[in-house]
Amino acid sequence: DMKVTQMPRYLIKRMGENVLLECGQDMSHETMYWYRQDPGLGLQLIYISYDVDSNSEGDIPKGYRVSRKKREHFSLILDSAKTNQTSVYFCASTAGQLSNERLFFGHGTKLSVL
Amino acid sequence: SQWGEENLQALSIQEGEDVTMNCSYKTYTTVVQWYRQKSGKGPAQLILIRSNEREKRSGRLRATLDTSSQSSSLSITGTLATDTAVYFCATDDTNAYKVIFGKGTHLHVLP
Repeated sequence: DMKVTQMPRYLIKRMGENVLLECGQDMSHETMYWYRQDPGLGLQLIYISYDVDSNSEGDIPKGYRVSRKKREHFSLILDSAKTNQTSVYFCASTAGQLSNERLFFGHGTKLSVL
Repeated sequence: SQWGEENLQALSIQEGEDVTMNCSYKTYTTVVQWYRQKSGKGPAQLILIRSNEREKRSGRLRATLDTSSQSSSLSITGTLATDTAVYFCATDDTNAYKVIFGKGTHLHVLP
């Protein structure tokens, strides 16, 4: 079953706490992505991972870091979360490394930083 | 349109009507993808049209691409209430190996 799974679905944290968002895919896809989505701003790319330990900054990487130690898992880490990082975070994957391929998205993680 | 200085668009129509959503893009792209995002879910691809295609159909969906004007459209015929969603178009930045999403169009189909 082709699926991108994100955990948790909802998360409430206090400002300054560390946050770990996890993403898994069962399609052996090479490339994985983290986006955030805010009202009126659409999907903003945070990081891309082209394979294990091969990560690249997206358009808004500040305040975030990522980890990909296995092809099927991609984590987004917020060290000392800020209130402006309250958002819905989506993980996605594509089979190859080209930018003209179909993205498969997870259901998202709604993060609230108080 | 979804690009340039335009803000997020919203459309409200009656079930059964046809609708067309447009987007324009600024740089060369090899494909335009259209995605639909229902409330509380992640975006899901509807249709992909390549730069050498002018039109692509899939069920009630029809996508067009005009590379000369750098614009694409998505039409839905005989809309259903379940078509209520946000529709995004996306292009590829071949230099940066990433997908660029437009801001989306909110479509509300009234039953």
